Amino acid sequence: DQQVKQNSPSLSVQEGRISILNCDYTNSMFDYFLWYKKYPAEGPTFLISISSIKDKNEDGRFTVFLNKSAKHLSLHIVPSQPGDSAVYFCAVLWGGADGLTFGKGTHLIIQP
Amino acid sequence: KAGVTQTPRYLIKTRGQQVTLSCSPISGHRSVSWYQQTPGQGLQFLFEYFSETQRNKGNFPGRFSGRQFSNSRSEMNVSTLELGDSALYLCASRPTSGIETQYFGPGTRLLVL
Repeated sequence: DQQVKQNSPSLSVQEGRISILNCDYTNSMFDYFLWYKKYPAEGPTFLISISSIKDKNEDGRFTVFLNKSAKHLSLHIVPSQPGDSAVYFCAVLWGGADGLTFGKGTHLIIQP
Repeated sequence: KAGVTQTPRYLIKTRGQQVTLSCSPISGHRSVSWYQQTPGQGLQFLFEYFSETQRNKGNFPGRFSGRQFSNSRSEMNVSTLELGDSALYLCASRPTSGIETQYFGPGTRLLVL
């Protein structure tokens, strides 16, 4: 049973517009949420994170929103750039437990 | 700082053989975790080592094992390889074991024939 779900395998967005990537989770005990970006033949690169005590975290063009009541996490990229084309994974962590649990990923394609 | 390095980058083995993969964490990082990425299952946690001790283990058979050395470098071993073990094996490091960001290496691509 998947604890972290990314329901959109792929997403196509025009350059300059907003990209919104979504992630749903099942366990309200998770206390740290992360987004990673992955290019082919490379390891995932950390993008941004948020702890469960917050509902928003911003870093430049990237903003992560956490809706604990809906158990929903989203990543907003504004404006989208061609270099943002990659697979994006959301991941969750709870202190002292197993390693990161990842979603299956969303392939973001930024079109010129 | 240099990033996480993994060797070898690519490996071809046959069924029944065993394989050892190596990971050097970021300098100063004491926690090393291993993950397996396959098209069907995505990224799955294998195990984590901290100060030479295995702290956490994912849901993988005993054929998958690892160890960590005093310099925090880690090795992962898979014995009696199966076709389904073909995957990208990723290593990640962080300063301590806890709620901290993990930084990934480029991975070792293993193909089992």
